[in-house]
Amino acid sequence: DARVTQTPRDKVTEMGQEVTMRCQPILGHNTVFWYRQTMMQGLELLAYFRNRAPLDDSGMPKDRFSAEMPDATLATLKIQPSEPRDSAVYFCASVEQGASTEAFFGQGTRLTVV
Amino acid sequence: RKEVEQDPGPFNVPEGATVAFNCTYSNSASQSFFWYRQDCRKEPKLLMSVYSSGNEDGRFTAQLNRASQYISLLIRDSKLSDSATYLCAVNPGFGAGSYQLTFGKGTKLSVIP
Repeated sequence: DARVTQTPRDKVTEMGQEVTMRCQPILGHNTVFWYRQTMMQGLELLAYFRNRAPLDDSGMPKDRFSAEMPDATLATLKIQPSEPRDSAVYFCASVEQGASTEAFFGQGTRLTVV
Repeated sequence: RKEVEQDPGPFNVPEGATVAFNCTYSNSASQSFFWYRQDCRKEPKLLMSVYSSGNEDGRFTAQLNRASQYISLLIRDSKLSDSATYLCAVNPGFGAGSYQLTFGKGTKLSVIP
């Protein structure tokens, strides 16, 4: 059963530390999204890639966040330095654009910055 | 005005009731529309796509009103298992071949025995 895989599932870190979240999209999916979900803001689009090229990262605080796709099987989201306000659930989603419009989500990384 | 807006609820309804959610979107050029379901501490999962002609899947009916820029979800004969948060999602369709999803904050539904 194809699925989007995210690691780690949970992360607790101290303010100022670097955090790296990883996502393995479904094989063959060429579009990958990073979302952040909080109670206050809901699901916010941070960045997305098509064919590994970044298309839009306007939703992402550039000074501390960075997103990359080093290859077709791995997307990363880094926060450096992390702050308590970054505490949220970070979801990765992938879609095979052109063949299906359903976006499949990973189980998320629950980040707590203390 | 936010791109996609939903009534956060919660909607507390008895089993067997019919409940409807609306979602408004601001970009009149938006191309595709969806309803996702999210259970507590889980990821969102596609419930159904919303087509211009409206579509039905069992107890669920989705409709699109382009003139008023809203989509709706109707759930008939509510079950306890329908309790979840329902997220609407819109693809603004910026540019040819563009695909990105903007979500509403979700509407929480609790079906009560």
